[in-house]
Amino acid sequence: NAGVTQTPKFRVLKTGQSMTLLCAQDMNHEYMYWYRQDPGMGLRLIHYSVGEGTTAKGEVPDGYNVSRLKKQNFLLGLESAAPSQTSVYFCASSPLKSGGEVEQFFGPGTRLTVL
Amino acid sequence: DQQVKQNSPSLSVQEGRISILNCDYTNSMFDYFLWYKKYPAEGPTFLISISSIKDKNEDGRFTVFLNKSAKHLSLHIVPSQPGDSAVYFCAVRGFSGGYNKLIFGAGTRLAVHP
Repeated sequence: NAGVTQTPKFRVLKTGQSMTLLCAQDMNHEYMYWYRQDPGMGLRLIHYSVGEGTTAKGEVPDGYNVSRLKKQNFLLGLESAAPSQTSVYFCASSPLKSGGEVEQFFGPGTRLTVL
Repeated sequence: DQQVKQNSPSLSVQEGRISILNCDYTNSMFDYFLWYKKYPAEGPTFLISISSIKDKNEDGRFTVFLNKSAKHLSLHIVPSQPGDSAVYFCAVRGFSGGYNKLIFGAGTRLAVHP
């Protein structure tokens, strides 16, 4: 099992450019998440999905869009990149457990720089 | 306003001694608490967790303590090893928008030196 994988690992964009980050998981998890990590701020939730075809906003959704057309994939899009979106982006997934623990499994991250 | 705070950005400990990482939270409704460990250039990995019905959970060298009245969580590593050098994030489970989600602290960078 590869677990959670992210593509690409690094990317440099110019302001106004667009791009899509791809997350894939092979654990058949229902839930998937996109976070950004910035210095001194920990991990902040951008968007999440509780199943194929569903998405919802997290704590910091502005400037991002997501899609979950297949259960194993969760895409994060930046339509018009801004320097404030320079960050490390992590994807995570977790299984559906009624009332139980919510351990999330993380990908290795994508380091994005917007010039 | 941060709901989960890790007030120590960094901690340095000698190998073999105890490492104590602390975390404070604001909402008494949080019911599940986790610690994640993160090495450079890798994603966070789950380390240990505790439910609000307990005050202690142990897993080998790692023990998590929960003080609900103080809204305080701590992670003890005994004995500390150089391989424990990493960033540690505490996280709490919160319920919003109809679903459980994790809220993370800013992290504490632990350095264990020989």
